[in-house]
Amino acid sequence: DQQVKQNSPSLSVQEGRISILNCDYTNSMFDYFLWYKKYPAEGPTFLISISSIKDKNEDGRFTVFLNKSAKHLSLHIVPSQPGDSAVYFCAASDGNNRKLIWGLGTSLAVNP
Amino acid sequence: NAGVTQTPKFQVLKTGQSMTLQCAQDMNHEYMSWYRQDPGMGLRLIHYSVGAGITDQGEVPNGYNVSRSTTEDFPLRLLSAAPSQTSVYFCASSYLRRDGYTFGSGTRLTVV
Repeated sequence: DQQVKQNSPSLSVQEGRISILNCDYTNSMFDYFLWYKKYPAEGPTFLISISSIKDKNEDGRFTVFLNKSAKHLSLHIVPSQPGDSAVYFCAASDGNNRKLIWGLGTSLAVNP
Repeated sequence: NAGVTQTPKFQVLKTGQSMTLQCAQDMNHEYMSWYRQDPGMGLRLIHYSVGAGITDQGEVPNGYNVSRSTTEDFPLRLLSAAPSQTSVYFCASSYLRRDGYTFGSGTRLTVV
């Protein structure tokens, strides 16, 4: 049973536009969420995180929004750049930060 | 350069052979972990360690052993390789506080 779901396997956007990647979770005990980016033949790279005490966290072009009542978070990339083309993973933890639960990833393609 | 170093990058094993995947980090991170990534399965935690001399099981520990004799190194041993262990293996580390992991570049293992 997938506790962290990324329902869109892929997403394609034009350069300069907004990319919105979505993630849903089922475990109400999750209180910390992270987004990672992965290029082919490389390990995942940490992007941004958010604690459940917040509903928004920004870092440059990347913003993560958390809606606890809907058990939903999203990653916004504005403006999107071709170098953002990668697989994006959502992950969550329940206080035991040593056991992250991962989504299956969304492959983002940013077209010039 | 600081980071997580995994060796080898590629390996082909015959069924029944044993081998050790190496992982080393030079960031003085307390936490280290091993993941495997399979198509359609996302990242799954094999084993993890919160410090030298301390290890614990993740989601999919069967067929793998680990040890943590130093802060820097966290080798993963395959005792008797099986085709089901064909996968890409990632090592990750972080400080114990809530933080994003630093991943190695991965080991692609094929068991024939």
